[in-house]
Amino acid sequence: GAGVSQSPSNKVTEKGKDVELRCDPISGHTALYWYRQSLGQGLEFLIYFQGNSAPDKSGLPSDRFSAERTGGSVSTLTIQRTQQEDSAVYLCASSPVRGAGGNTIYFGEGSWLTVV
Amino acid sequence: AQSVTQLGSHVSVSEGALVLLRCNYSSSVPPYLFWYVQYPNQGLQLLLKYTTGATLVKGINGFEAEFKKSETSFHLTKPSAHMSDAAEYFCAVTWGLYGGSQGNLIFGKGTKLSVKP
Repeated sequence: GAGVSQSPSNKVTEKGKDVELRCDPISGHTALYWYRQSLGQGLEFLIYFQGNSAPDKSGLPSDRFSAERTGGSVSTLTIQRTQQEDSAVYLCASSPVRGAGGNTIYFGEGSWLTVV
Repeated sequence: AQSVTQLGSHVSVSEGALVLLRCNYSSSVPPYLFWYVQYPNQGLQLLLKYTTGATLVKGINGFEAEFKKSETSFHLTKPSAHMSDAAEYFCAVTWGLYGGSQGNLIFGKGTKLSVKP
């Protein structure tokens, strides 16, 4: 597609339920990122994928968070046993190469998660 | 730790006035620098970026930014604000593969710009 596509755009879930958020990066982009944007917290890096390399999970806040990327393209971010503090906008981004040379990182519209 | 600081979480200007949004980074290694804009209920859109070469960078919508290595700054400016500029602006840096970082974008906390008629 023309841009980074994320689904669902909005999700309301009950505390304790699991949620899956999907990201379809720009075709041909090998690098894929997940960020979280919470009110008053700015943008927080969660996880990064580059080709077939092991993902950089250094930003995941707890073991309830996980992500996978199948076939080097679509990625799914999973949050298990959701808590109210997980409410945020989850942004996916992709770039041709991981950061090198200042390649532009393109963002999707985000998935707005509300845990009630 | 490498960080990005945006001075002022909220900035308000009158339509037609100068816009100045400040961004400083902390590192002895010059980074790659970006400004993104986020309109309400939308994702992030790249305004401009500095990688190498000319330190004054021009972006979309009349914005520009100047990389000043001696001041570790990358402030965003626009000579004359429009109502449509009201949004949140994020400064971000990455050091790519060669700067000791992991190449991920590190964001400032954002500055919300209001434009008064």
